[in-house]
Amino acid sequence: SQQGEEDPQALSIQEGENATMNCSYKTSINNLQWYRQNSGRGLVHLILIRSNEREKHSGRLRVTLDTSKKSSSLLITASRAADTASYFCATVPGEKLVFGKGMKLTVNP
Amino acid sequence: DTGVSQDPRHKITKRGQNVTFRCDPISEHNRLYWYRQTLGQGPEFLTYFQNEAQLEKSRLLSDRFSAERPKGSFSTLEIQRTEQGDSAMYLCASSRGTGIDTQYFGPGTRLTVL
Repeated sequence: SQQGEEDPQALSIQEGENATMNCSYKTSINNLQWYRQNSGRGLVHLILIRSNEREKHSGRLRVTLDTSKKSSSLLITASRAADTASYFCATVPGEKLVFGKGMKLTVNP
Repeated sequence: DTGVSQDPRHKITKRGQNVTFRCDPISEHNRLYWYRQTLGQGPEFLTYFQNEAQLEKSRLLSDRFSAERPKGSFSTLEIQRTEQGDSAMYLCASSRGTGIDTQYFGPGTRLTVL
């Protein structure tokens, strides 16, 4: 079963704009991770935020975590055409990743 | 390239045939995971190994599925008597230690059952 739910399910923006993706989950977690998947390929790990952290940055990525609301957001600033991909949040309630259905981001040049 | 490799990348088979996939994790990683991803969905957990020990199996892993990790290095996932519903991308991931560590994914094996 899938725990995370990304919102929106699809987003289309222009190059240079910011993209924000939200993820809600249901159970307690150890950490939450965001992954990117280009069409038909493997997943690439973007960022991990632990349950005792509230915000984390990595390059153009900013992720927040609100464990009281069981939600996380991923912000991609100054988007590029190469950011076009599907993005997944994955929670770690135990020993394995539990993924959402994903969100498709299209960045138009 | 994450350092995790999978073979083959694509497999087309007829219903009822057996197929086997291989995953080579990052060499120093103790944990190895298998996930399955169908079109438009996120990956779903199948099973994982700590070294050579298989520690957890999902209910998705029917008795037609078997996974091994001999000597705690590479792993194989075998599907016997394939069904059309087995068509999916099979993803392998490895991590250094426990479940809280980052998992690094291979490129996946896309299975099509005709």
